[in-house]
Amino acid sequence: AQKVTQAQTEISVVEKEDVTLDCVYETRDTTYYLFWYKQPPSGELVFLIRRNSFDEQNEISGRYSWNFQKSTSSFNFTITASQVVDSAVYFCALSEARSGGSYIPTFGRGTSLIVHP
Amino acid sequence: GAVVSQHPSRVICKSGTSVKIECRSLDFQATTMFWYRQFPKQSLMLMATSNEGSKATYEQGVEKDKFLINHASLTLSTLTVTSAHPEDSSFYICSARDLGTDFTLNTEAFFGQGTRLTVV
Repeated sequence: AQKVTQAQTEISVVEKEDVTLDCVYETRDTTYYLFWYKQPPSGELVFLIRRNSFDEQNEISGRYSWNFQKSTSSFNFTITASQVVDSAVYFCALSEARSGGSYIPTFGRGTSLIVHP
Repeated sequence: GAVVSQHPSRVICKSGTSVKIECRSLDFQATTMFWYRQFPKQSLMLMATSNEGSKATYEQGVEKDKFLINHASLTLSTLTVTSAHPEDSSFYICSARDLGTDFTLNTEAFFGQGTRLTVV
């Protein structure tokens, strides 16, 4: 079973629209970390946010906001007033402790966001 | 933020040859680096965890003799695709984590720019 599910394969919006990217995760650990990364067409991954399992506060950073809800095991990402430059693939990732104590992220399949002018 | 440099960004090689990809942490020390493989429009699949000064830990199904990993220093890890075949064509990405002095801190992993390998 997938540990990180990003059900939306591709989303297409028009500039200035708000868009929410869904992420549902699965874990039995009480301590874990969630991430969002952006992968533009150039290929590199850009870190956006990290959230630990004990911090359910929602976060806002400019046009980006994240809604973490442990009750539904979701960590959704909203872009307000989307721009063409937001076009990219967005990955949600879950990091759980492995044997030895290290945390290694497991990635969802990604959501391709296309913002049209 | 921390910088991870990956080289080369693109490489085309002939079938049967070997290709080396370098991953460097430029402004921090990384005792652990990770190597991922990404197929077109797919997620990142962890191939192996590279530990400085010791053998890499490979994920299930990844051929360790095919994908040689060497983590010779705290700032450099290399992935060598040996006897490459067209099915090895993919996007390879490394990442590194700056553990600092607190080894329990799960900081974000920083990623290299990726290497597009094409085997012809």
